[in-house]
Amino acid sequence: AQKITQTQPGMFVQEKEAVTLDCTYDTSDPSYGLFWYKQPSSGEMIFLIYQGSYDQQNATEGRYSLNFQKARKSANLVISASQLGDSAMYFCAMREGLKGSARQLTFGSGTQLTVLP
Amino acid sequence: DAGVTQSPTHLIKTRGQQVTLRCSPKSGHDTVSWYQQALGQGPQFIFQYYEEEERQRGNFPDRFSGHQFPNYSSELNVNALLLGDSALYLCASSFIGTHDFFSTNEKLFFGSGTQLSVL
Repeated sequence: AQKITQTQPGMFVQEKEAVTLDCTYDTSDPSYGLFWYKQPSSGEMIFLIYQGSYDQQNATEGRYSLNFQKARKSANLVISASQLGDSAMYFCAMREGLKGSARQLTFGSGTQLTVLP
Repeated sequence: DAGVTQSPTHLIKTRGQQVTLRCSPKSGHDTVSWYQQALGQGPQFIFQYYEEEERQRGNFPDRFSGHQFPNYSSELNVNALLLGDSALYLCASSFIGTHDFFSTNEKLFFGSGTQLSVL
């Protein structure tokens, strides 16, 4: 089974509108972390937001928030007030096991977001 | 403060050849991970280096090998190249330090990658 599933290959949103990018995950480990990265056409992966499995509150970072529904195993990214510069590929990723960057990340297949003027 | 730098940015090789990709981590970082990203897919973990040793490895054959130098920079070597090795190779760095290999530092910093084309 896929560990990270992103079911939206492409999404369009009007500038200044909010958009939700879906991510579901599969793990039997009680300790895990969920990440969202943005990849513009330059290729660099840019960290957006992180949610730990034991975190009680949904993570927020500026215009980014993570809608974490543990029972449903979903970790959707919400981008508020979309900007043209938000057009990029977005990846959901998971780290299984205890916290620490020594752990490898498993990525989903990504969602291409296009912001329309 | 320089981020993660990778070289070269693009590379064209033919089947059977060998290739070496290079990565300099972000200043202050001591750990380097390598990921392969095929076209239209998410990155896949290849391996990770810390204290000049391979610490973790993903599901990649032995044709993929690496090295970490005392200055924390790293190389990824791929032998006997196959057409399927064509991909964007991403390097990511982070800081672990000496206290505990499994630190609480979560954030990986990625470079812009090396685009490898195998003809």
